Amino acid sequence: GENVEQHPSTLSVQEGDSAVIKCTYSDSASNYFPWYKQELGKGPQLIIDIRSNVGEKKDQRIAVTLNKTAKHFSLHITETQPEDSAVYFCAAMDDYKLSFGAGTTVTVRA
Amino acid sequence: DAGVIQSPRHEVTEMGQEVTLRCKPISGHDYLFWYRQTMMRGLELLIYFNNNVPIDDSGMPEDRFSAKMPNASFSTLKIQPSEPRDSAVYFCASSIGRGPYNEQFFGPGTRLTVL
Repeated sequence: GENVEQHPSTLSVQEGDSAVIKCTYSDSASNYFPWYKQELGKGPQLIIDIRSNVGEKKDQRIAVTLNKTAKHFSLHITETQPEDSAVYFCAAMDDYKLSFGAGTTVTVRA
Repeated sequence: DAGVIQSPRHEVTEMGQEVTLRCKPISGHDYLFWYRQTMMRGLELLIYFNNNVPIDDSGMPEDRFSAKMPNASFSTLKIQPSEPRDSAVYFCASSIGRGPYNEQFFGPGTRLTVL
């Protein structure tokens, strides 16, 4: 089955700085890579995704990149704000099943 | 729409007791997923339904776990008997279709503690 590894497990950044989270996956059949944000006491919420035929996607302060050859993808958050503090999960999908990374706890220091 | 609704939000029970978790998917969504989140194993898919029919239950850990979807607007996940290692947050998610291009919307979760 698919194995998704995510790094780092925790990330502390100064407000206004950038945050980068990296993930690798094992199954070359995976073709969809969403990123979820989970705030305390809530369920994961999709914030951005990328398909296997796209190398990069941007949505305001958030961007994702995908390298299918190397089987890795990354989340970039620029100009971080306190409300960006949360746990972020990467995931990979083959057909229907989402396999999640272990999560990154991001803390934005004011 | 109110989103995916789960109840209860918190459940504390004693080992050996039966536990029933409930989920109401978003109206019009044909797919429903049950996940479990623990510190050790992260987010794991337990089972998913399509049009109320269980399609893949390979993630269900043991026979103590069972899930049903009697109609399009209601699903249950039952643990009988419960054990302390079942303590986790259980999420229900729903989507319009299966696979890429079909976002899974997660509920707020049920935090289960088995003493």
